[in-house]
Amino acid sequence: DGGITQSPKYLFRKEGQNVTLSCEQNLNHDAMYWYRQDPGQGLRLIYYSQIVNDFQKGDIAEGYSVSREKKESFPLTVTSAQKNPTAFYLCASSMGQVGYTFGSGTRLTVV
Amino acid sequence: KQEVTQIPAALSVPEGENLVLNCSFTDSAIYNLQWFRQDPGKGLTSLLLIQSSQREQTSGRLNASLDKSSGRSTLYIAASQPGDSATYLCAVHSSNTGKLIFGQGTTLQVKP
Repeated sequence: DGGITQSPKYLFRKEGQNVTLSCEQNLNHDAMYWYRQDPGQGLRLIYYSQIVNDFQKGDIAEGYSVSREKKESFPLTVTSAQKNPTAFYLCASSMGQVGYTFGSGTRLTVV
Repeated sequence: KQEVTQIPAALSVPEGENLVLNCSFTDSAIYNLQWFRQDPGKGLTSLLLIQSSQREQTSGRLNASLDKSSGRSTLYIAASQPGDSATYLCAVHSSNTGKLIFGQGTTLQVKP
C-alpha cells in the first residue's frame, strides 16, 4: 500500500536539543510538505519541497531546517532556536493536482 | 491573501441526521478543494477532492459541492453515524501561491 510514514509517533525534546522528525513516502510524489498543528490555530506550513535538492520556506520556518536528498524522504529538524516546539507535526506529499496525502503525525513535547 | 473559513466550529447531532458543513474561501483562483477528516491525535484522511472545473464529488454517504464563483463549498453527510464523529477540515489549493490553505475545521459529534 502506498502512503506516507512518519516516525516516531511521539518525541520528547530537552531544552537546547535538536531533534529530527522522519517522513518517508512511496507514492512517487514530487512535492513534500511539513505542517505544524496547534490547538485553535489550524495547520501552518513550515517548509515545502517541489523537487529533490530544492526546498522553500513556508509561513513559520524560523527554528526549523529540512533536507531533500531523495525523492522519498523529507526529514524535518527542530532546532534549539525554535522556542515553542511543542506541537503536532504533519508531513504531506502531492503530485500535480491530484490532492495531498498526509502521514499520521509526530507529537513533539518539550520536557 | 487566500483565507478559508469553516462554519460552524462545532456541531452535535443525534445519530441518523443528515448534516451540512460549510467552507468559504476568499480567492477563486484555486486548482482544487479538498475535504479531510481528522480523528483526535491522528493524521488527516482525505475524503473528497473537487477540481476547480467540477461542481461536486460523491463518496458513499458523503457529497461535496463547489461553487468557485461564490467561494463556497459544502460537505453533506447523509444518515450520520457515531463513527462520523471527528474534525472535518476544508483546504483549498491556491493557484496563485501553489500552497494548500486550511480552514480551522468543524468538530462533529454524532450521539447514539
